[in-house]
Amino acid sequence: GEDVEQSLFLSVREGDSSVINCTYTDSSSTYLYWYKQEPGAGLQLLTYIFSNMDMKQDQRLTVLLNKKDKHLSLRIADTQTGDSAIYFCAETSDSNYQLIWGAGTKLIIKP
Amino acid sequence: NAGVMQNPRHLVRRRGQEARLRCSPMKGHSHVYWYRQLPEEGLKFMVYLQKENIIDESGMPKERFSAEFPKEGPSILRIQQVVRGDSAAYFCASSPPGDTYEQYFGPGTRLTVT
Repeated sequence: GEDVEQSLFLSVREGDSSVINCTYTDSSSTYLYWYKQEPGAGLQLLTYIFSNMDMKQDQRLTVLLNKKDKHLSLRIADTQTGDSAIYFCAETSDSNYQLIWGAGTKLIIKP
Repeated sequence: NAGVMQNPRHLVRRRGQEARLRCSPMKGHSHVYWYRQLPEEGLKFMVYLQKENIIDESGMPKERFSAEFPKEGPSILRIQQVVRGDSAAYFCASSPPGDTYEQYFGPGTRLTVT
């Protein structure tokens, strides 16, 4: 079945770039997403990419999609303490409304 | 434009009681989705509703769980006779008509069953 995999933790120094990786199995995914969850809070849609694109940039965020390897990454430039959160990768199933989620990567910022 | 509203934010129920979780979608959104997040896990799809219609409930447990989205008022996720395993965060999302891929989430309801 469909599956989305992420590393559980990533630790980076303040000011460095963070790269959060995700792999997925469903080759028919149409959209792939990155959501941010801060402690005790809801899920903030950061960005999403259509499967026929290979890159999308939005200010400090860069999303790269390697469809051949089914690999998605989120790069956060100049990581700040406010970026501390859990980052979830998700993909749409065939239905285009049922999101399939990874377990989330906790981004830890070191001073 | 207010975001997706969920209440209550925290709900404590004893085993065997009923839990009612409410979700008001963003203004102009007519599609509502419920997801469940168990501790240390990603979200799992439960149900997709439009006004007065359940479109897909394939992720809902067969017993004790039900959802509705009436013509007027919020969407309700109802869990009857709660058990400890129902303890989780329940998230509601909404999307505009025709754009099911762009889902905006509420803050969630954290259900604790004692």
